[in-house]
Amino acid sequence: GQSLEQPSEVTAVEGAIVQINCTYQTSGFYGLSWYQQHDGGAPTFLSYNALDGLEETGRFSSFLSRSDSYGYLLLQELQMKDSASYFCAVNSGYSTLTFGKGTMLLVSP
Amino acid sequence: DAGITQSPRHKVTETGTPVTLRCHQTENHRYMYWYRQDPGHGLRLIHYSYGVKDTDKGEVSDGYSVSRSKTEDFLLTLESATSSQTSVYFCAISEDTTQETQYFGPGTRLLVL
Repeated sequence: GQSLEQPSEVTAVEGAIVQINCTYQTSGFYGLSWYQQHDGGAPTFLSYNALDGLEETGRFSSFLSRSDSYGYLLLQELQMKDSASYFCAVNSGYSTLTFGKGTMLLVSP
Repeated sequence: DAGITQSPRHKVTETGTPVTLRCHQTENHRYMYWYRQDPGHGLRLIHYSYGVKDTDKGEVSDGYSVSRSKTEDFLLTLESATSSQTSVYFCAISEDTTQETQYFGPGTRLLVL
């Protein structure tokens, strides 16, 4: 089976840095994706890590350690519009993704 | 934005009735997926398709069937709707070589009374 664990909720203030962790147990592993979903909206793709290390895309960065079955999404210079749910998802190589249950990020002024 | 539409966007139906949800894409992507999203459960895969007439089950396929007769359309049918199928349903698409990147439709909110 496959399982992903991520915190259910994280709070932070504008301008701060926040890290959302994801640990996974899967029968196969090709990579870890991150998606953002604003309330009532469609999930949107943020980043993908297939190899160990840090991938940076503007204010967002994603990290992967395959040996630790662990990854995280780092959001810098937080803005109110970053308040959303964030999902990690594993690509196990079976043409599908398995999603975590999501982390709700609340950014306050 | 990827060209994905879902219809209907909202539906209220009664227990025991069949319901069909439609996903339409204009991107010519090979892979199409149906997910349901419920509080506390994240996104769970119902069925997916890897080509015309090629489909497979996901994690929560019981009570659902799918069909894909054209590249652009992927239909999800609830054979006999139950209250436990009240949910938000998302369709997604992805290309052959970048399956980790899925593009989602706007979702369908289904209420089964």
